[in-house]
Parts: sequence; structure tokens; C-alpha cells
Amino acid sequence: QLQLQESGPGLVKPSETLSLTCTVSGGSISSSDYYWGWIRQPPGKGLEWIASIYYSGSTYYNPSLKSRITISVDTSKNQFSLRLSSVTAADTAVYYCARTTYYYDSSGYTRRPFDYWGQGTLVTVSS
Amino acid sequence: QTVVTQEPSFSVSPGGTVTLTCGLSSGSVSTSYYPTWYQQTPGQAPRALIYSTNTRSSGVPDRFSGSILGNKAALTITGAQADDECDYYCVLYMGSGISVFGGGTKLTVL
Repeated sequence: QLQLQESGPGLVKPSETLSLTCTVSGGSISSSDYYWGWIRQPPGKGLEWIASIYYSGSTYYNPSLKSRITISVDTSKNQFSLRLSSVTAADTAVYYCARTTYYYDSSGYTRRPFDYWGQGTLVTVSS
Repeated sequence: QTVVTQEPSFSVSPGGTVTLTCGLSSGSVSTSYYPTWYQQTPGQAPRALIYSTNTRSSGVPDRFSGSILGNKAALTITGAQADDECDYYCVLYMGSGISVFGGGTKLTVL
């Protein structure tokens, strides 16, 4: 059974950089059928897609956050990571990592966004 | 920037039918956006219900169905149950690897 687990500091100071890692178990991050991404949810608010990455290193960013985010992948460790710079209190949220299935076969394209999720980790931005 | 719209809240009676929608601030939702629906209970990660407009995720009861209604994607719940009371989110694929979530609908069953 595929499992995703977020890890990283739960408290980050304003203006610093938030760093999170997602460890994938029960499956390979290097499979050609999957993309790996980050989604966040501020307390009491809705979901926001942050970024996604393919095992080859191709990256996709939310335009509203692009200037501050970097997503990377380490296939040797079956992990991918997020860095969000210059954080403010508005970046306080539960951060989820998730898998997207996307492939093409004789039936056409199959896209199942965020079909597996980590449990989420709360990151608070505060001095 | 494109905004994905959902009703902030909705109410349904037990056993009743409710249709939640997912639209665009500009333009119409089509199957090309791969509309996907999630259910989220408090303190839990979202759970995918419907992919690609109308494909149920594994284990999702057939009380949940997806469609395109007019210019929006729709999630219909028939025979609403008490444990359907939670938040529902849609996400649309905008192309170029970009996904946009709707603001979510809080469903009350009473």
C-alpha cells in the first residue's frame, strides 16, 4: 500500500524558509505514471495547490507562489521536497504531499489528481 | 487569474439528493479540465471521490456521481446520509501542469 509521509519543522520564523520533505513508501517515485506534489490548507480555509514534480525533475508551480517556491526530487531516497522562502503568517497551514496519476494508453489520457495523500503537517509561521 | 467557484455551503435532508457545482469565474467547465471531487472530514486529508468528471474512485459508493451540468462540473449525492456532512472540494486542471482548487462547499445534512 502506497504511503506518503511529510516531515519538517512545525515552526518557522517570518522571513525564513520553510522546508518540507515527503517520503514515499510502498511504491517507486520513479514510475513514469506519476507526478508528486504539495497542497496546503490554512486553518479553517480551503485547499491550495502549490507545486508538482515528475521523477525526471520537470517542475510545475502555482503562478501566485512561483517566485518563492522550489520543489525537488531525490529518486535515490524516494523523496521529494518543498522549499518556500520569505514566509509570513499567511503561509501558516497544514501542508500535504500527494501523488497524481497521469498516463496515456490506448484508452486515451487518464488523470487522477492527488489520488494518494500524506496525513499532512501543520507549519506555523511565528516569531 | 482563474478562479474556481463552489457554493460556500449547502444543506440537504437525510435521504435527499443534493448537487454541488464547480464553475469558472470566466468560461465553462468541460471534461478537458478533468474535474475531480474530494471529500474532507475534519482533521483528515481529503479523499478523492470522482475523477475525470464522472469516474468514481475505488470504494466510493454509487450514491456519489459526477457530471457536467450546463457550464459547470457537478457532484450529485443521492440518499444523503449523516456521515456525508463534511467539506467537498473540486479541482480543475488548467493545463501546463497547473491545478486550481475551488473554495469548497460545506455540506450540512439535517
